[in-house]
Amino acid sequence: EAGVVQSPRYKIIEKKQPVAFWCNPISGHNTLYWYRQNLGQGPELLIRYENEEAVDDSQLPKDRFSAERLKGVDSTLKIQPAELGDSAVYLCASSLAPGQALNRNTGELFFGEGSRLTVL
Amino acid sequence: TQLLEQSPQFLSIQEGENLTVYCNSSSVFSSLQWYRQEPGEGPVLLVTVVTGGEVKKLKRLTFQFGDARKDSSLHITAAQPGDTGLYLCAGGLAQKLVFGQGTRLTINP
Repeated sequence: EAGVVQSPRYKIIEKKQPVAFWCNPISGHNTLYWYRQNLGQGPELLIRYENEEAVDDSQLPKDRFSAERLKGVDSTLKIQPAELGDSAVYLCASSLAPGQALNRNTGELFFGEGSRLTVL
Repeated sequence: TQLLEQSPQFLSIQEGENLTVYCNSSSVFSSLQWYRQEPGEGPVLLVTVVTGGEVKKLKRLTFQFGDARKDSSLHITAAQPGDTGLYLCAGGLAQKLVFGQGTRLTINP
């Protein structure tokens, strides 16, 4: 069974340019997450989807970041315009259990390999 | 301010030694997960603990959830070079999974 697929693996852009990342979760996983991981740090949640609904986007910088999961399967995360401080690894993850399961019998998050963004 | 504090942030030891990594918070978590991440890859789940005081063993790795569900530890016995990686704890809180900043572990042959 294929894991979480992300593309591109690497992206180098100049500041003020737009960039987009794509994620295809594990088949059947209703919950999809976008995390940002700065160098030497743990992942920080940007947005969580239950099917096509964004149920937690409180940490998403909405002035320049946007995300969509139109059909409740794959997802795109966009940054426009990019800033120097956006350089990081953008990780997508999916899980079987809905978000509510984090309160009990926590579901396992399956992560993709990430998309490393460098903004010059 | 980090909700979950991991210590140490960096640890480099010789093969065969034992080590313990800590994950601390002032918040109570419904569950606690430990992940390992290797360079260029996403984190991979090692274990989930959900009950205060719970201890789980995975070969040479022992995981413990604090009685008050605010902290956790990971103990590795007889570390091997293959244990090298970034170890992340993650706490379940209000339907979110919050990660610590990680412990970068290097096991030298």
